[in-house]
Formats: sequence, structure tokens, C-alpha cells
Amino acid sequence: DTGVSQDPRHKITKRGQNVTFRCDPISEHNRLYWYRQTLGQGPEFLTYFQNEAQLEKSRLLSDRFSAERPKGSFSTLEIQRTEQGDSAMYLCASSFSQSYEQYFGPGTRLTVT
Amino acid sequence: KNEVEQSPQNLTAQEGEFITINCSYSVGISALHWLQQHPGGGIVSLFMLSSGKKKHGRLIATINIQEKHSSLHITASHPRDSAVYICAVRGTGGGADGLTFGKGTHLIIQP
Repeated sequence: DTGVSQDPRHKITKRGQNVTFRCDPISEHNRLYWYRQTLGQGPEFLTYFQNEAQLEKSRLLSDRFSAERPKGSFSTLEIQRTEQGDSAMYLCASSFSQSYEQYFGPGTRLTVT
Repeated sequence: KNEVEQSPQNLTAQEGEFITINCSYSVGISALHWLQQHPGGGIVSLFMLSSGKKKHGRLIATINIQEKHSSLHITASHPRDSAVYICAVRGTGGGADGLTFGKGTHLIIQP
């Protein structure tokens, strides 16, 4: 068990470009969460999956954001037409179920120039 | 007003001191988490609790459901405890499965 991994760890992109991040959860975990953290703030919930089903989306997740977990294993988060306000750390976490603690990945730091 | 409020926002203490970080929340919860975040972003889960008290090494977490309040204590603090400590809550049903986080308490332990 290697823990939750995220790729890439850092991404610099120009405004208007599309970016995609990947999260690989702990293998037996069926819940996967995406969070966003801006500098000096606590993380904010974006969305979560139970297996391949996306069960909840925050109103923070605008139409430019889409997340998938096609086979109930890894997940991708895509941001289309990036804006400077999208600059943040994007965190992924997984858990065995609702009642269990969440394990966090190292995050992907996005900088939009 | 944030649903989760932490105090203090910043805390500097000397090695060996007893540390208390407080968390108050305004919504009904099914669980409360204490997390530790080091520079560079990595987050480690310290505790998940829904009642009473938990202890792990020099760390103790307590929660009072009636008062909607939790505390994280560090005994015999050490410079390696320097980090941001974040309180997060999970709501009760209705699809509220994602965590709601406080802004964190930035702790510095000086040798």
C-alpha cells in the first residue's frame, strides 16, 4: 500500500488552457474526494465519488470543472479554460467508507499565469 | 461566518509546553477530524471522533457534542510538532459527505 498519489505535483499553465489532474487512491478504498486549498485557507470540498458514481458536487465546482472515476479506481479532475482564480492546491483523499478517516494525497499545486 | 472556527490562528510556544487548539462548529455533525499539514501541503489525519476523547502518543483530542466544540492538545511539545493543525467536520446525512474545514492553526514550537 503506497498511499494516495497525485500527478502531477506541480502544474503551471497559461490562462485559458485546459489542465487535467490524476488521483490514485488507496486500492481498497471505495470513496474518493477532491478538495481545493488556496493560500492561507483551509481546504474546500469540491466533489466525491463512491466507486464510479459521483454522488455530490459543491457549488464551487463550476461548469469548467469536471471529475471522473471511470472504473472506480483512479480519478481525474479537469479544468477547462483556466482562470487565475483557479490557482490553488488540489487535494485528493480516499477512504474505505463514510465512517472511516480520509487519507490525503500530496496535492497538485496549480499556478495559472 | 465560517461553519468551523478555530482558535488561535497562530500560536508560538517553547519546547515542552502544553498546547491547546480549539475548534467550534455551528452545524450538526456526524464526525470531526483533526488533521496536520506540513509545509509543502501534505495532510495527515490525526484523529476522527464523534464523541468523548481519543489519545495517540502525545496528542489528545476531545469533543463535546452538546457544546459543538473540540480541542486538540499536545503534551510535551517538540519543534517537530510545528505545522498547521486543521479541524474539519462531516455533516449529518443529506449527501453532506465532504468535509468542511476550518482555516487552520499555525503552530510553531521553538527549541
